[in-house]
Amino acid sequence: SQKIEQNSEALNIQEGKTATLTCNYTNYSPAYLQWYRQDPGRGPVFLLLIRENEKEKRKERLKVTFDTTLKQSLFHITASQPADSATYLCALVGYSSASKIIFGSGTRLSIRP
Amino acid sequence: DTGVSQDPRHKITKRGQNVTFRCDPISEHNRLYWYRQTLGQGPEFLTYFQNEAQLEKSRLLSDRFSAERPKGSFSTLEIQRTEQGDSAMYLCASSLEGGQGVLEQYFGPGTRLTVT
Repeated sequence: SQKIEQNSEALNIQEGKTATLTCNYTNYSPAYLQWYRQDPGRGPVFLLLIRENEKEKRKERLKVTFDTTLKQSLFHITASQPADSATYLCALVGYSSASKIIFGSGTRLSIRP
Repeated sequence: DTGVSQDPRHKITKRGQNVTFRCDPISEHNRLYWYRQTLGQGPEFLTYFQNEAQLEKSRLLSDRFSAERPKGSFSTLEIQRTEQGDSAMYLCASSLEGGQGVLEQYFGPGTRLTVT
C-alpha cells in the first residue's frame, strides 16, 4: 500500500542552524510533492511545491529537494529561528485524482534560542 | 478576510447526535476538499468537489457521512449518529484547478469535534 514516512516525530535544533526534514514514500509515483506548515489548532499552510521533473526548489530560507529514484524529499530551513517552530507536513499528489493526495504524519520542529 | 472559513470552530456533541459543519472556500476556487485529522497524524482525505459535483469519496467516509456543495460555493459536511471515533479535527481546503492538476490547497482553521 502507499505509504509516506517523515523521518521523526520531533526535531530539536539550535537557533541559527539548518533544520533538515525528510519525507520518504513507497508504492507511489507522485506528479509532485508539497510541504505545508501547521501550527497547533490551525489548518496547514502551503509552503512549497516541487514537481517530479524538478530536483530543487527554493523560497527565501526554504529549500526542497526531490529525488524520485530514492523516493525521498528533503526540506531545509536555513538560519532557523524560534518562529519556525511548528509541525511540517509533506504531501504527495498524483496526476489526476484528488484522492491521491496523501499527507505524512508530520515532523514537529522546535528551534531553541 | 478572503481565506477559507469554517463554522463552528468547536463542537461538542453526545454520541448518537447528528452534527453539521460548514465551509466557505476562497470565492474563485472551484475545488473544495474535506479532510479529517487526529492528533499526531496528517490530514486524511475524505471527499472533494469540483464546483457542485462531488467527484471522489474516500473509503473512510462511511454511510453516516454526507457532504454537499449545492451551488458550487459553500459546502456542508454532516455526520449522522456520531460515534466517539468521529472525534477529530475536520479541515476544509480549497484550490483553483486550472488543468495542471492539483496545486496548492488553502486550508481553513478546522472544526474540532468532540463526541462524548
